[in-house]
Amino acid sequence: GAVVSQHPSRVICKSGTSVKIECRSLDFQATTMFWYRQFPKQSLMLMATSNEGSKATYEQGVEKDKFLINHASLTLSTLTVTSAHPEDSSFYICSASPGQGNEKLFFGSGTQLSVL
Amino acid sequence: SQQGEEDPQALSIQEGENATMNCSYKTSINNLQWYRQNSGRGLVHLILIRSNEREKHSGRLRVTLDTSKKSSSLLITASRAADTASYFCATPRGAGNMLTFGGGTRLMVKP
Repeated sequence: GAVVSQHPSRVICKSGTSVKIECRSLDFQATTMFWYRQFPKQSLMLMATSNEGSKATYEQGVEKDKFLINHASLTLSTLTVTSAHPEDSSFYICSASPGQGNEKLFFGSGTQLSVL
Repeated sequence: SQQGEEDPQALSIQEGENATMNCSYKTSINNLQWYRQNSGRGLVHLILIRSNEREKHSGRLRVTLDTSKKSSSLLITASRAADTASYFCATPRGAGNMLTFGGGTRLMVKP
């Protein structure tokens, strides 16, 4: 199956700093990637759709200036949490699909962000 | 927003028993998917069932779909401790492989 790599797996940072999370499709090209956020024992909430070569599409209630998304190539999308605060602490997961009739999503292993 | 509601939210069984999880959704769909998530990890696709299918099998997994009731079930037979995970149903939303996930069922299989 297709492989999606996400780094880092865990990050601890001080309040006010920015954190970048990378999501790479290793063996396929992805014009679209999805970023989700997950709180303990809860489901995944879609934050934004990352579109290669254009602006990301954010879900209602998600601050685009706080969660910067860049999708500069067909295999890489990055999510930057700017000026992180303790309430941003969460599990962030990216996903992508090869498309072309493949309806499954392939997920990265997630990033646990802890903001002190 | 979440399309699907799953029940139970948590399920604890003994190894060897069967586990059944249910998912309900609200809008018309052309397929429904089930994913598994181990604690602290990403999700892994298990099975996809199309709207014109009523039942699908994959190894110890059996998925049913009732479009008239807008519901699906996932049955894991002869469960193993390694099946301990959270299970999510997901339905398509919009274009481009976007999915909306249900609330999930946390399954614990005791050895």
